[in-house]
Amino acid sequence: SAVISQKPSRDICQRGTSLTIQCQVDSQVTMMFWYRQQPGQSLTLIATANQGSEATYESGFVIDKFPISRPNLTFSTLTVSNMSPEDSSIYLCSVGGVTGELFFGEGSRLTVL
Amino acid sequence: AQSVAQPEDQVNVAEGNPLTVKCTYSVSGNPYLFWYVQYPNRGLQFLLKYITGDNLVKGSYGFEAEFNKSQTSFHLKKPSALVSDSALYFCAVRRGVNRDDKIIFGKGTRLHILP
Repeated sequence: SAVISQKPSRDICQRGTSLTIQCQVDSQVTMMFWYRQQPGQSLTLIATANQGSEATYESGFVIDKFPISRPNLTFSTLTVSNMSPEDSSIYLCSVGGVTGELFFGEGSRLTVL
Repeated sequence: AQSVAQPEDQVNVAEGNPLTVKCTYSVSGNPYLFWYVQYPNRGLQFLLKYITGDNLVKGSYGFEAEFNKSQTSFHLKKPSALVSDSALYFCAVRRGVNRDDKIIFGKGTRLHILP
């Protein structure tokens, strides 16, 4: 399994601002995944981040709102841009195991006022 | 399209009693099935998986799950519940392990173990 560190663990932000979430993995991985968990909801995949190429976004998510960087095989960032209260969620970084399971970071709990 | 259903929003069990958290799935081909647990203010922790082989798989913290192909189910079980098992449990399914085979999560079941 991989050890995944996310920063910040939580933040309170003002409407209209942007926040960048960092994800660090203790081993090199090809794909990293960003999920959103809205209050009382399940997990929704935002995008898949591959090193050296643009992220692949799921339906309903766009790069302008959720820009992602993947500068190397152990690190990724997700930015939540021009935030509104509807963006208040837990954002989770994850990586895949060899038999298809996912391993998650502790999450970044974002509250937008 | 693949999907996973957790029919119960909440399950209450007395400490020491057996527990079951239900999950059914829909996927073409042979499924990869997973259970995750989320404790308050924490990320998701992987509990167990079914890929192939024995229908009963054992995982972390004494949990096990039974794959039933005819009923397309993958219920999570534990013989004797602990108060510390109280958490949010997610079932998940994927069609394969290729790049395009995404994991789909159920909506979650909140498990309350009553002392």
